[in-house]
Amino acid sequence: QKEVEQNSGPLSVPEGAIASLNCTYSDRGSQSFFWYRQYSGKSPELIMSIYSNGDKEDGRFTAQLNKASQYVSLLIRDSQPSDSATYLCAVNKLTGGGNKLTFGTGTQLKVEL
Amino acid sequence: DGGITQSPKYLFRKEGQNVTLSCEQNLNHDAMYWYRQDPGQGLRLIYYSQIVNDFQKGDIAEGYSVSREKKESFPLTVTSAQKNPTAFYLCASSTPLSGSGYEQYFGPGTRLTVT
Repeated sequence: QKEVEQNSGPLSVPEGAIASLNCTYSDRGSQSFFWYRQYSGKSPELIMSIYSNGDKEDGRFTAQLNKASQYVSLLIRDSQPSDSATYLCAVNKLTGGGNKLTFGTGTQLKVEL
Repeated sequence: DGGITQSPKYLFRKEGQNVTLSCEQNLNHDAMYWYRQDPGQGLRLIYYSQIVNDFQKGDIAEGYSVSREKKESFPLTVTSAQKNPTAFYLCASSTPLSGSGYEQYFGPGTRLTVT
């Protein structure tokens, strides 16, 4: 079982719709959860972080965390063509060597006109 | 401007040569990281450093070496022992936030091609 799992997609949604991206993780000791957006050929950009169960909203983005189910999701409302990118889920655990992030392989999102 | 810089953006080397990738940050972050990204495989951790003069191996450290002599700098050397060095290399840095928070930010990356 992979430590962080995401559906690779592509996930296609029409412009203006809600895009829902999902991620599951295996380590119950994980403490912090992140969503990064990565455009083709570019480096990842942090768009959301969430540390406790429930929802966290920032503009058109909402992150949802359910530690009991080991599940984290990202909702993008009013999707725009500029949202077309790969979205990486990352999970943090504090170890003896410090904080370490484990990444999923990403979900490709395509927002269609 | 505050940020993480990596140079060069593209790097080409012949097989058997060592190559050093630069990473500099002026964010005053304590921790720095190196990842590689291959198509369809996500990011994999090579080395990380929490403080100056200390670093730990990540998940795929074989064939790589690092140093952390200054807080601002964390260069990565790809040695000839690395069997598949062609990849997109990403440097990141992080700082603890209030409470148990923590966020990691990435530089623009170096695309290394070895032939």
